[in-house]
Amino acid sequence: EIVLTQSPGTLSLSPGERATLSCRASQSVSSSHLAWYQQKPGQAPRLLIYGASNRATGIPDRFSGSGSGTDFTLTISRLEPEDFAVYYCQQYGSSPWTFGQGTKVEIK
Amino acid sequence: EVQLVESGGDLVQPGGSLRLSCAASGFALSSNWMHWVRQAPGKGLVWVSRINSDGSITSYADSVRGRFTISRDNAKNTLFLQMNSLRVEDTAVYYCATNMGSLYWGQGTLVTVSS
Repeated sequence: EIVLTQSPGTLSLSPGERATLSCRASQSVSSSHLAWYQQKPGQAPRLLIYGASNRATGIPDRFSGSGSGTDFTLTISRLEPEDFAVYYCQQYGSSPWTFGQGTKVEIK
Repeated sequence: EVQLVESGGDLVQPGGSLRLSCAASGFALSSNWMHWVRQAPGKGLVWVSRINSDGSITSYADSVRGRFTISRDNAKNTLFLQMNSLRVEDTAVYYCATNMGSLYWGQGTLVTVSS
């Protein structure tokens, strides 16, 4: 199975700053089937990005995804107060689906 | 609008059984592979099981194989997860999800296994 490793584990930033989150796969992700989710306590994961770079419906354009093969990045151009949360990457191109361990974006 | 709504979560004793349901609306369940994913309290997301469009192909995570059974009723647009021989470590929120170009998830149902 494909192992996804997210870095850093925690990102301490201030509102208005840029956040760059990394997701590295142990083998190539099929057809860029890589997604990013945001999760807040007590809530279900919220899809942000699918197909490595496609924003899901209703997602603000400050969220962007890039990458291919084994290296993927989620960028939040300017952090808003509501963006402080845990972010997960997921590959869904190969069975089984696998997830990264998460990156927590916290207020500095 | 595509919607997935899970139900059936409850408090159950170790060794007990539970059946989760996932009702789909806004699309035909029969067209898609369906998945169950779980999240233990304070932990990350873990894939549990999947089933193909007509129910003829299933697969499971090692941790649940032989205890959990995934199934579907396409006529009722509903996905199921039969959970037997439950363990404390099965405690989690269980989500159903599918890939239709974009990914769709339900809001989850909480299963608590405790004596």
